[in-house]
Amino acid sequence: GNSVTQMEGPVTLSEEAFLTINCTYTATGYPSLFWYVQYPGEGLQLLLKATKADDKGSNKGFEATYRKETTSFHLEKGSVQVSDSAVYFCALSSASGGYQKVTFGTGTKLQVIP
Amino acid sequence: EAGVTQFPSHSVIEKGQTVTLRCDPISGHDNLYWYRRVMGKEIKFLLHFVKESKQDESGMPNNRFLAERTGGTYSTLKVQPAELEDSGVYFCASSPRGFTQYFGPGTRLTVL
Repeated sequence: GNSVTQMEGPVTLSEEAFLTINCTYTATGYPSLFWYVQYPGEGLQLLLKATKADDKGSNKGFEATYRKETTSFHLEKGSVQVSDSAVYFCALSSASGGYQKVTFGTGTKLQVIP
Repeated sequence: EAGVTQFPSHSVIEKGQTVTLRCDPISGHDNLYWYRRVMGKEIKFLLHFVKESKQDESGMPNNRFLAERTGGTYSTLKVQPAELEDSGVYFCASSPRGFTQYFGPGTRLTVL
């Protein structure tokens, strides 16, 4: 079956530091890949996505590239801010019977300190 | 356009009691999904509705959980009787056919 593995947290960084959160996946076929973010006290928000190999998803300064050869979708940001403190979930979806079934990783908590 | 809404935002109940969670999807979205995140673990799929029909309920943990979507609009998820291990955050999501799922804020359930 499908699975997503992402790095354990929590990750603590100083403001303006470089961020990488690793994510690898196992899936049959050609899944779409996502990063979701959950800010404190809020729900899940779609941060970015990529639907095919070599696609790069980007939003709010975050980027992730769909690497089929390494089955990875690592999240990066060049300079984090305190407001980026949140839990980040890597996820994939694969089509099944005409709908998308989403499989999530365990989440990585990011804390950015001033 | 209103997003996915869930009610309540937080529920604290005692073991053995009943709780009903509600999800209102984005208007016009035929697909409605329920997920659950137990503390520190991954978000796991529970079930999927297409309109009022259950398309896939393979993730439902046991028969203490009952989901309904009468009329193909809002959905409820009832836990009866609740057990300690049911504590977690329950997310609802909706989507048009074949498209990205949009998630609600979640309901945090605490069973004491």
